[in-house]
Amino acid sequence: ETGVTQSPTHLIKTRGQQVTLRCSSQSGHNTVSWYQQALGQGPQFIFQYYREEENGRGNFPPRFSGLQFPNYSSELNVNALELDDSALYLCASSPGTSYADTQYFGPGTRLTVL
Amino acid sequence: DQQVKQNSPSLSVQEGRISILNCDYTNSMFDYFLWYKKYPAEGPTFLISISSIKDKNEDGRFTVFLNKSAKHLSLHIVPSQPGDSAVYFCAARSGSGDKLTFGTGTRLAVRP
Repeated sequence: ETGVTQSPTHLIKTRGQQVTLRCSSQSGHNTVSWYQQALGQGPQFIFQYYREEENGRGNFPPRFSGLQFPNYSSELNVNALELDDSALYLCASSPGTSYADTQYFGPGTRLTVL
Repeated sequence: DQQVKQNSPSLSVQEGRISILNCDYTNSMFDYFLWYKKYPAEGPTFLISISSIKDKNEDGRFTVFLNKSAKHLSLHIVPSQPGDSAVYFCAARSGSGDKLTFGTGTRLAVRP
């Protein structure tokens, strides 16, 4: 089994730009969730994708969007970046939509918005 | 509105002693609780969980206690080891699905 990987590790953008973060889920996992972890805070749920369809969304504006692909990879896109978007972005994969115990997290992408 | 709270940002414990990490929640719809451990530069790793129909779950050195009436849970680590030094997150879920609500974390330092 391969683990969950994310790219890039670090990223610096300026306000107003757009960014795409990538996640490669564990093999066989058809569910991916994205979280935002601001400094000193716990991870906050952004949204979840199940079999390439959005399956639940947290309290984040529409400029946060995602895609999931058949090859277990997924993307988080953020448009019109704001300073408050600076955070660690985590993706987590699981074999289904009710498997919180077996939700495997990647190491995260550290996004800095200047 | 912080629905899951970890009021102690840090905890320091001597090796071999007990570590007790606390977590409070406000949402009575939460029915499943989890603890995650996070090392620097790594993603959170699942540690132990408990369903709201139980009041205790044990896995080796780790025990989680749930007090539903007080909306409080705690993680006990006995005996504590230096390798346990990490940030511990409490998380909660309501109903089915993977959406987790996390606390802000407690940084545990186990002194040799």
